[in-house]
Amino acid sequence: SQELEQSPQSLIVQEGKNLTINCTSSKTLYGLYWYKQKYGEGLIFLMMLQKGGEEKSHEKITAKLDEKKQQSSLHITASQPSHAGIYLCGAVGGTSYGKLTFGQGTILTVHP
Amino acid sequence: NAGVTQTPKFQVLKTGQSMTLQCAQDMNHEYMSWYRQDPGMGLRLIHYSVGAGITDQGEVPNGYNVSRSTTEDFPLRLLSAAPSQTSVYFCASTRAVQTGELFFGEGSRLTVL
Repeated sequence: SQELEQSPQSLIVQEGKNLTINCTSSKTLYGLYWYKQKYGEGLIFLMMLQKGGEEKSHEKITAKLDEKKQQSSLHITASQPSHAGIYLCGAVGGTSYGKLTFGQGTILTVHP
Repeated sequence: NAGVTQTPKFQVLKTGQSMTLQCAQDMNHEYMSWYRQDPGMGLRLIHYSVGAGITDQGEVPNGYNVSRSTTEDFPLRLLSAAPSQTSVYFCASTRAVQTGELFFGEGSRLTVL
């Protein structure tokens, strides 16, 4: 089955700092999703990557999928308290159509 | 546009009781799935369905049953609740896995005493 490893598990930064969250798989990733979740709330779709080398940005958040399609990174520039929450990556393995699994999440805290 | 609707939002059960978590979507999505979220564990896939009449197991299917008689509905049944099933449950749907945004319900918080 698809196993996604996120790092770090938690991250505490000062407002204004840049940060990166990684999502790694031992298998090729097909359709890599990034979601954000505020504590006690539902999940907010950030972006989806499909092609090796693809990069997408939304406001101050940029996500990349490496050429081998086994690792994705989420980068936040000039972090703000509103960026705080849990970030989750999810993906489908090529041999398990429909089995969309997620990493364990990264808890981000941003101190003002 | 209702999106993905889950009911109930909160439920308390006693060990051994049964219940059904309801999930409905109005976007004509073929793919639907159920996840549970526990602290430090992210989202773990329980069951999923790629269309009406088709279901399959995810990572943690034991203790849960599903059926998909219509495109719109994907209920999750707990046959005999256990304290280990205390969790927050999320239903999700998408037009097509690998290409489409996964839409999530707001979650159902279940406590089993």
